[in-house]
Amino acid sequence: EPEVTQTPSHQVTQMGQEVILRCVPISNHLYFYWYRQILGQKVEFLVSFYNNEISEKSEIFDDQFSVERPDGSNFTLKIRSTKLEDSAMYFCASTAQGAEQFFGPGTRLTVL
Amino acid sequence: DAKTTQPTSMDCAEGRAANLPCNHSTISGNEYVYWYRQIHSQGPQYIIHGLKNNETNEMASLIITEDRKSSTLILPHATLRDTAVYYCIVRAYILTGGGNKLTFGTGTQLKVEL
Repeated sequence: EPEVTQTPSHQVTQMGQEVILRCVPISNHLYFYWYRQILGQKVEFLVSFYNNEISEKSEIFDDQFSVERPDGSNFTLKIRSTKLEDSAMYFCASTAQGAEQFFGPGTRLTVL
Repeated sequence: DAKTTQPTSMDCAEGRAANLPCNHSTISGNEYVYWYRQIHSQGPQYIIHGLKNNETNEMASLIITEDRKSSTLILPHATLRDTAVYYCIVRAYILTGGGNKLTFGTGTQLKVEL
C-alpha cells in the first residue's frame, strides 16, 4: 500500500539554525500539506500546496517558513531560523482530490 | 468550518463495539463529517467520511442523524490496537484549487481494554 514517508524521523538543531524537513508524498497525489503538533497539543494546519504554489496557509506559517516541491517526488518544509517554540512533530500529508488525506509518520523537531 | 464537540475520553472492552459520538449542531449543508484517528503521536489516519447518508467501510461505520447535527463513529469489534485519539472534523469539500485543510480539535481518547 502506498504511503507518505518523511525524513528524518528526529531532527535536533540549535536555535537560529535552518532546518529542512523532507516528505515524499504518494506518487499520484496532487495536494500536499504540512501540519505540526506541539507535545500535548492539537494537530495544527500550517500550509497547503497545489499546482506548485501555496493555496492556503495559517497564521503560524510566517516568513520563517517556506515550502518547496523541488522535483517530482519531494515536498519540503524549511524553517529559516528556528526558535525554541518550533519544537514539535511535523506531519506531511497528501491527497489525490482533497477528501482523504494520507499522513506521514512525522518528524520530531527539537530546538535547543 | 463548523465546530464539533466530543467527549474527552471513553473506554471500551475488547471485542465490543465502540460508539464515539460527535456533536456538530452548526454544520452547513455543504459540509462533510470526517473521522480521523491518531495512535500515540503517529500521523493521523483517515477513517471515514460522510455527508448525510450512513457510511460503512472496512474500518468503521458512520451514522449521521437526519438533521445532521450529530454523528456516531462505530468500531464494530474494538481491539487493543484501536486505542487512539479519535477526531471528528466537519468541513466543506472543495473539489479543485487546493485548500481542504483539516482543523483538528482535542478529540476523544478511546482506551480499549481486555
